[in-house]
Amino acid sequence: DAGVTQSPTHLIKTRGQQVTLRCSPKSGHDTVSWYQQALGQGPQFIFQYYEEEERQRGNFPDRFSGHQFPNYSSELNVNALLLGDSALYLCASSLQGFPYEQYFGPGTRLTVT
Amino acid sequence: GQQLNQSPQSMFIQEGEDVSMNCTSSSIFNTWLWYKQDPGEGPVLLIALYKAGELTSNGRLTAQFGITRKDSFLNISASIPSDVGIYFCAGFIANAGGTSYGKLTFGQGTILTVHP
Repeated sequence: DAGVTQSPTHLIKTRGQQVTLRCSPKSGHDTVSWYQQALGQGPQFIFQYYEEEERQRGNFPDRFSGHQFPNYSSELNVNALLLGDSALYLCASSLQGFPYEQYFGPGTRLTVT
Repeated sequence: GQQLNQSPQSMFIQEGEDVSMNCTSSSIFNTWLWYKQDPGEGPVLLIALYKAGELTSNGRLTAQFGITRKDSFLNISASIPSDVGIYFCAGFIANAGGTSYGKLTFGQGTILTVHP
């Protein structure tokens, strides 16, 4: 049973650039959520996708956008990168009927220089 | 916004000792969850709690959903070296309209170190 997978594992970008992170949910799951985890902090909710639509969003600017594909996989895009965007980006998947039981991937470590 | 306060922030214990940590909030949650995160990995779901007063075990781990719905507790019995890691509590609130979307609110974590 494949768990949540994310790519790439690590990424280094320059301030002002754009980045795309990818996530494949756990087999059988249809809902994907994205979180940002700064060093020494708990994960912070960015947004959640279900049926290819964003249905809930946390306190993140419009520079953060996403997409969900028909196969339930998802992308997180961040434009105009800032130094403060450096963090571990976590993808979590769940079933629509059980949105609170979220299973996390290993994350993508983004460093902005 | 909602905030979860975890305590203690860190713990240093001897192998074989029991561990207790807790999480408190100013808001009521419908579901409490406990996760463990190892370095360089994503959080792993340990226990989910769904009703006030509920007590649930998973091996040596026991968690409780506080009666007020504003707190939760995690206990680890007879700790072993592989218990080392960061433990996070997370809360979930069903939306006012009765729909259940997916935002989890996390605490800041408790760092557990176990000395052999």
